[in-house]
Amino acid sequence: EVQLVESGGGLVQPGRSMKLSCAASGFTFSNYGMAWVRQAPTKGLEWVATISYDGSSTYYRDSVKGRFTISRDNAKSTLYLQMNSLRSEDTATYYCTRSSFPGGFDYWGQGVMVTVSS
Amino acid sequence: DIQMTQSPASLSASLGETVTIECLASEDIYSNLAWYQQKPGKSPQLLIYYANSLNDGVPSRFSGSGSGTQYSLKINSLQSEDVSIYFCQQNYDSPWTFGGGTKLELK
Repeated sequence: EVQLVESGGGLVQPGRSMKLSCAASGFTFSNYGMAWVRQAPTKGLEWVATISYDGSSTYYRDSVKGRFTISRDNAKSTLYLQMNSLRSEDTATYYCTRSSFPGGFDYWGQGVMVTVSS
Repeated sequence: DIQMTQSPASLSASLGETVTIECLASEDIYSNLAWYQQKPGKSPQLLIYYANSLNDGVPSRFSGSGSGTQYSLKINSLQSEDVSIYFCQQNYDSPWTFGGGTKLELK
């Protein structure tokens, strides 16, 4: 059974940093691209970043480029999102997702809440 | 960025009814469209990929269609467990973008 389990969220002050982790199991992690998708409270879904199966390519939405870094450790089957210079508009539930080959995100974690507030 | 416009924003329907949700892309996305279901308090789940391919385990009452810029999700014989928010998403070009969502409720 595919499982994606996020951790590392919580309350953080504006301008500070936070690192999210996503432990993957139930599939060959190193074969799949992975992504982070977020959802602000009572809002829609917003893609944040994607990393290729081997970590050689990364993609970001403009609003997080230069502040967020997506990375992975295939030996540990773990995905990361390092978030620096956090802003109030980054407040959201962050989902770890698996990118499926035909397109879309075919598995989602339970989500982790990040609240940026003083 | 490719804009995805969903309609309606909310929908109320009766059990057993057929409902259709529309998604309009701001440019041709060549069927690179996915549909997701998000039940209250839960993570989204992939229903449809590549516009009309049913994801594993998704009931056959769900179907997707469309091409170019216009796509739709149809739910036949509405069940109580279908009460959710539905999102479309284009995966043709980065940044991958989602529609605003359609909240489906029972009448």
